[in-house]
Amino acid sequence: DIQMTQSPSSLSASVGDRVTITCRASQRISDFLNWYQQKPGKAPKVLIYSASSLRPGVPSRFRGSGSGTDFSLTISNLQPEDFATYYCQQSYGTPRTFGPGTKVEIK
Amino acid sequence: QVHLEQWGAGLLKPSETLSLTCAVYGGSFSGYYWSWIRQTPGKGLEWIGEVIDRGTTTYNPSLRSRVTISVDTSKNQFSLRLTSVTAADTAVYSCARGGGVAARPGDYYYFLDVWGKGTSVTVSS
Repeated sequence: DIQMTQSPSSLSASVGDRVTITCRASQRISDFLNWYQQKPGKAPKVLIYSASSLRPGVPSRFRGSGSGTDFSLTISNLQPEDFATYYCQQSYGTPRTFGPGTKVEIK
Repeated sequence: QVHLEQWGAGLLKPSETLSLTCAVYGGSFSGYYWSWIRQTPGKGLEWIGEVIDRGTTTYNPSLRSRVTISVDTSKNQFSLRLTSVTAADTAVYSCARGGGVAARPGDYYYFLDVWGKGTSVTVSS
């Protein structure tokens, strides 16, 4: 299985801040990397696929980058609705593994 | 607008079989990977497996010996069966649609773009 790790596991930030979450794969996965946002009691919502492609309707303050084993999700000008948990997921192979998540909390 | 509705028993005893069904409304059933994922506070999101409309399945090796995902195309439904459950199978189980975007020839960017609301399943004696 391809193992996914994320850092940090949680962070505190203020509205307007820029935050970056990193995701690392245990082997090279090219750009087969998705990012999801999950709010309490809700299903995850895909934000980014192919490491850097924004899904329709996702604000441009979300940016994904990376290739190979190292990836990042950057949220610029953090908004109140962005406080949530973010997960990466590799789609290079099966099982389609997720990272453990990064919780973005209000400072 | 595609949406998924799921149902099934939420309380099981150890050794029983978990059975959940997910119905797809408002969109095409063919051409997608119909998936099951579970989530626990301790292990996070775990991909269980998927089925495509022709019935081909792929399972997480960690669960393969106990899991069956089946599809009923006449009803636009797919189902999950997990046998011999234990407390470790306690989780929120969600169905989801795996879709994606074709990119470079032979490459397909897969992601889960529509999710059910989730079913909380507790295994307890």
